[in-house]
Amino acid sequence: AQKITQTQPGMFVQEKEAVTLDCTYDTSDQSYGLFWYKQPSSGEMIFLIYQGSYDEQNATEGRYSLNFQKARKSANLVISASQLGDSAMYFCAIFTTGGGNKLTFGTGTQLKVEL
Amino acid sequence: AAGVIQSPRHLIKEKRETATLKCYPIPRHDTVYWYQQGPGQDPQFLISFYEKMQSDKGSIPDRFSAQQFSDYHSELNMSSLELGDSALYFCASSPPWGASTDTQYFGPGTRLTVL
Repeated sequence: AQKITQTQPGMFVQEKEAVTLDCTYDTSDQSYGLFWYKQPSSGEMIFLIYQGSYDEQNATEGRYSLNFQKARKSANLVISASQLGDSAMYFCAIFTTGGGNKLTFGTGTQLKVEL
Repeated sequence: AAGVIQSPRHLIKEKRETATLKCYPIPRHDTVYWYQQGPGQDPQFLISFYEKMQSDKGSIPDRFSAQQFSDYHSELNMSSLELGDSALYFCASSPPWGASTDTQYFGPGTRLTVL
């Protein structure tokens, strides 16, 4: 079975600062994908960034980067230059080839960006 | 770019009624997934379809059924609705294997309220 742990229920960051959202995972599969999704208060689930287990470089997408430490089984999301519009719930998720055709999500981190 | 389309966006039903949720995946995506997100919860996988065949099943109640049609759209049928079925129901789709990643792109969700 796969498991995602997000230990920060809530985070605050000042506008223009960088913030790191923690995510650790547990799987016995060798091949897996790690994802971050953003869910604003409106409810939609927005894909942010993907990291494959065999990718040697950390993934980056604009202001988002994924700090992938395979040995520690962590996949932290770094948001640089936070904006007010970044205030949302952030979910880390894992997809494994042996774990069924599904995403397993963590419990999420509520991020609030302040002026 | 085209996104996943879900209809209706909001649905209000009485207990013991039935509901049908529809999902239109991104063009050329061949896999569809259904997730249920209760209030304050992370999304939970219900069921998935690949090339019109059920590929995996999660915590989907027996009162629910789903299928994928020849045009790749999918429908989630829910019968004997219970108060606990009130949730946000997401459909997601992913591209053919090997196309890019296993990234699942989510629709805007259908918010079901059971009274």
